[in-house]
Amino acid sequence: GAVVSQHPSWVICKSGTSVKIECRSLDFQATTMFWYRQFPKQSLMLMATSNEGSKATYEQGVEKDKFLINHASLTLSTLTVTSAHPEDSSFYICSASTGGSGELFFGEGSRLTVL
Amino acid sequence: GENVEQHPSTLSVQEGDSAVIKCTYSDSASNYFPWYKQELGKGPQLIIDIRSNVGEKKDQRIAVTLNKTAKHFSLHITETQPEDSAVYFCAAKNTGFQKLVFGTGTRLLVSP
Repeated sequence: GAVVSQHPSWVICKSGTSVKIECRSLDFQATTMFWYRQFPKQSLMLMATSNEGSKATYEQGVEKDKFLINHASLTLSTLTVTSAHPEDSSFYICSASTGGSGELFFGEGSRLTVL
Repeated sequence: GENVEQHPSTLSVQEGDSAVIKCTYSDSASNYFPWYKQELGKGPQLIIDIRSNVGEKKDQRIAVTLNKTAKHFSLHITETQPEDSAVYFCAAKNTGFQKLVFGTGTRLLVSP
């Protein structure tokens, strides 16, 4: 299957700082990427849909000024958690679509811990 | 919008037994149904998927069945092995739309 790389796999930061997570499609071009948040022992919660070259579409209840998403190229999307606080600590996962077939491939996830 | 329910939430089997996980969906327009395996601390991995134009698909020890009339689909794992232990998520999507809706997950434990 297609490969999606996510970096960093884990990050620890101080409260008030910003953290950027990268999501790359390594062997295909992804016009659409998705960002999820997952709490322990729960399902994936879609945060936003990112289309290359346009503004991201955020799900209801997700603060767009807190979670900045950029999809500047067909192989890279970034999620920036701004002014992070302990409640932002979570497992963040990206996925990328290969196109009309509907298949989604996921990155390995990034565990964010805010102290 | 689409709603996907998944059962059971936990499933314990002995090595070599079969495991079945069931999902139901609400939107009759959904036509793509993937299954993902998630190991601890990792992202979900696509293990098998099925589209609405077929009723069953098999890949070695894994099979998925789809009943469009009843709007439910199931994952079948035969000859389970300890390395099958993980959380499994079903999902549903209308390929005309971008959003994939996930079930709540099933924690499968295969004991040696």
